Amino acid sequence: DIQMTQSPSTLSASIGDRLTITCRASESSSTWVAWYQQKPGRTPKLLIYRASNLASGVPSRFSGRGSGTEFTLTISSLQPDDFATYYCQLYNNYRWTFGQGTKVEIK
Amino acid sequence: QVQLVESGGGVVQPGRSLRLSCAASGFTFTNYAMHWVRQAPGQGLEWVASISYDGTNQYYSDSVKGRVTISRDNSKNTVALQMNSLRAEDTAVFYCARAWGDSYGDYWGQGTLVTVSS
Repeated sequence: DIQMTQSPSTLSASIGDRLTITCRASESSSTWVAWYQQKPGRTPKLLIYRASNLASGVPSRFSGRGSGTEFTLTISSLQPDDFATYYCQLYNNYRWTFGQGTKVEIK
Repeated sequence: QVQLVESGGGVVQPGRSLRLSCAASGFTFTNYAMHWVRQAPGQGLEWVASISYDGTNQYYSDSVKGRVTISRDNSKNTVALQMNSLRAEDTAVFYCARAWGDSYGDYWGQGTLVTVSS
């Protein structure tokens, strides 16, 4: 099974900072990667699909890049609403594999 | 609007069974594969199982294979997860999510909590 290694596990940042979260796949995954945001007690929210496509209603400060084995989620200017945990997800053959998550905290 | 509503969670003793259900509305259910994902307290997301749009194919994670069965009733717009031989490590919030074909989950339910404890 393909594994997704996400880093860092925790990220301390300030409002206005530019952040990048990375996921590395153990095998080439083409572009079948999505990113989600989850706040405590809430359901995961889709941010990015197919590595770089912004989901409907998601602010343009979020962007995704990558293909093959390395994928990144970037927040260009961190806003108060962005403090949350972020997960990458590989989807392939009707199976999903999630990264371990990155918690974005207030510095 | 799209709605996915899970039910059936609760407290259950180790070794017992539980059946979760997810009721879908606001979209054409038969166009979507359905997935179950769980999240143990304070932990990350773990994919559990999925079923194709027509119910002919089911897929399971290694951690639940043989103990869990996913099914769907397209006449009632529901998907179910039958869990047997429950263990303490199955304690989690269980979410259902829809996916267009072999793809990501664009809508998720609010989840139902399963607690396995004696």
